[in-house]
Amino acid sequence: DTGVSQNPRHKITKRGQNVTFRCDPISEHNRLYWYRQTLGQGPEFLTYFQNEAQLEKSRLLSDRFSAERPKGSFSTLEIQRTEQGDSAMYLCASSPTWGGTKYNEQFFGPGTRLTVL
Amino acid sequence: ILNVEQSPQSLHVQEGDSTNFTCSFPSSNFYALHWYRWETAKSPEALFVMTLNGDEKKKGRISATLNTKEGYSYLYIKGSQPEDSATYLCAFPSNYQLIWGAGTKLIIKP
Repeated sequence: DTGVSQNPRHKITKRGQNVTFRCDPISEHNRLYWYRQTLGQGPEFLTYFQNEAQLEKSRLLSDRFSAERPKGSFSTLEIQRTEQGDSAMYLCASSPTWGGTKYNEQFFGPGTRLTVL
Repeated sequence: ILNVEQSPQSLHVQEGDSTNFTCSFPSSNFYALHWYRWETAKSPEALFVMTLNGDEKKKGRISATLNTKEGYSYLYIKGSQPEDSATYLCAFPSNYQLIWGAGTKLIIKP
């Protein structure tokens, strides 16, 4: 399967714990995005990488959130000291720099569902 | 602030019936509009990229139209089947990100 993969698919944690999610994009895609979706809402942008460089962070990404893409391939999203409000679906997407750039076509993984108790 | 809205929020349709729903978006500085289908436990799947005013695109029983001047797009499903049950989302590209509607959850009743 050459699509975007995310691990774990589900994570249940207690408030105050740290969690880390992983995203493996489509191999030839330079761009990688993280989104968060809460119940009844559409996905909301969190952050964006071009290769290993984090080029934009949303105001939704508080100091407790950090994302990395150390070698320009997979990415991790870490949430420290989780709060119940962090419960959401975390989606990762990737896109090539060439081709669909003008229309920003993005390819999505299945998401990681986080539940904070 | 860009706003993308979808209606209705949810829809129950009898198997075999046809249905449609709406996405409205900012009509200024239009580049494209994306439609995605998101089934439970799966990845959001791209259906269409709409780019030109008056565009009509079709994939099997699903089609979409675009009106960039008034800022709306319709998604149509003809002869709904149980496998069409999913959330249908539209998204408006803004620089590097997609601005999403909240989706229309479609449930097909056998």
